[in-house]
Amino acid sequence: QKEVEQDPGPLSVPEGAIVSLNCTYSNSAFQYFMWYRQYSRKGPELLMYTYSSGNKEDGRFTAQVDKSSKYISLFIRDSQPSDSATYLCAMSFPDSTSYGKLTFGQGTILTVHP
Amino acid sequence: GAGVSQTPSNKVTEKGKYVELRCDPISGHTALYWYRQSLGQGPEFLIYFQGTGAADDSGLPNDRFFAVRPEGSVSTLKIQRTERGDSAVYLCASSFDPTSGYTFGSGTRLTVV
Repeated sequence: QKEVEQDPGPLSVPEGAIVSLNCTYSNSAFQYFMWYRQYSRKGPELLMYTYSSGNKEDGRFTAQVDKSSKYISLFIRDSQPSDSATYLCAMSFPDSTSYGKLTFGQGTILTVHP
Repeated sequence: GAGVSQTPSNKVTEKGKYVELRCDPISGHTALYWYRQSLGQGPEFLIYFQGTGAADDSGLPNDRFFAVRPEGSVSTLKIQRTERGDSAVYLCASSFDPTSGYTFGSGTRLTVV
């Protein structure tokens, strides 16, 4: 079993829809949680970063962390065709020797059609 | 530079050959990371540099893989005796410090034929 599980999709939604993307993880030592967006033939781009349970909002994006359930989510409101990409969850430990070493989910392919 | 630069963007090599992949991080970023991304998968950690030293190389799959960062800036990932299974996109990323999210380059797409 992988440490981080993410449904690869693909997920197809109409423009304006609310999108929900999710990851589960098995290692409770993960403390930092991130969401990256990756366009085709590009590197991942950081969208959201959080280290506490609860919600964090940034524009149309909301990241949610539930450490008790080992479950994280990314919500995209008013989705746009330009949001079509692969979304990757990632997480890391607070250990100083492992800082920055991210464990990624498989990625969810999202298509927003006009 | 404005972003993380990786060269070449594409590399096709024959099985058994040696390859070098270069990463030029954002100026001033002391932390540098290499990841490998296979088709349809998320990136997998290879190695992390803090300054010139490899702080964590636990992700390197075997001794055919080696990376250096001699002056604490540019890094080179070296792969000896390439195998077809090494085909993947090799991503480099850098950050000011390891506790913040980092910036990825566009990657080098390595194909071993």
